[in-house]
Amino acid sequence: DVKVTQSSRYLVKRTGEKVFLECVQDMDHENMFWYRQDPGLGLRLIYFSYDVKMKEKGDIPEGYSVSREKKERFSLILESASTNQTSMYLCASATGDWEQYFGPGTRLTVT
Amino acid sequence: AQSVTQPDIHITVSEGASLELRCNYSYGATPYLFWYVQSPGQGLQLLLKYFSGDTLVQGIKGFEAEFKRSQSSFNLRKPSVHWSDAAEYFCAVGTYNAGNMLTFGGGTRLMVKP
Repeated sequence: DVKVTQSSRYLVKRTGEKVFLECVQDMDHENMFWYRQDPGLGLRLIYFSYDVKMKEKGDIPEGYSVSREKKERFSLILESASTNQTSMYLCASATGDWEQYFGPGTRLTVT
Repeated sequence: AQSVTQPDIHITVSEGASLELRCNYSYGATPYLFWYVQSPGQGLQLLLKYFSGDTLVQGIKGFEAEFKRSQSSFNLRKPSVHWSDAAEYFCAVGTYNAGNMLTFGGGTRLMVKP
């Protein structure tokens, strides 16, 4: 069965902290994605990666960076967390056939 | 640039009633269209997808959607709603790029009355 896991379901961090969100998929998918989900705005793409060490900016990359050192793992990094980054973060992976498989999400609160 | 609009933020229906969730897209080429569902506390699950061919697409959990090019719409329907269908529903359009990106609508939250 397809599985995408995220390191934390809930996370509370302070303003200015460096935050790492980890995502692991066990399906050998080439493509991986990070979204943030906010009420009324749906899902907005932050970054995606189509291969190891390859990354592309999505619609809202400011304040974020990513790392993909291994095919199965895609990390989202908040270099200096701010309160406007309080949100739900969703990771997904996909092959070339468009269907994206999502993790359960990490609800991040920055205080 | 592509965009997706879901005009209804919230919808409430009675259990057993029919359901239609609206989705309008803007995209210059032939769209790839998707509906996802997010149950409380869960990630998104694919309900159905349209790539080409028959414009009426069947999905899981008894859902279907109809692609209407002339109206730029891809509405989701279900003839009889169950209480377990209460969730948030997202329409998305796919654009070819490295990685096959999806652009999502704002979502529609469905509540089901007993």
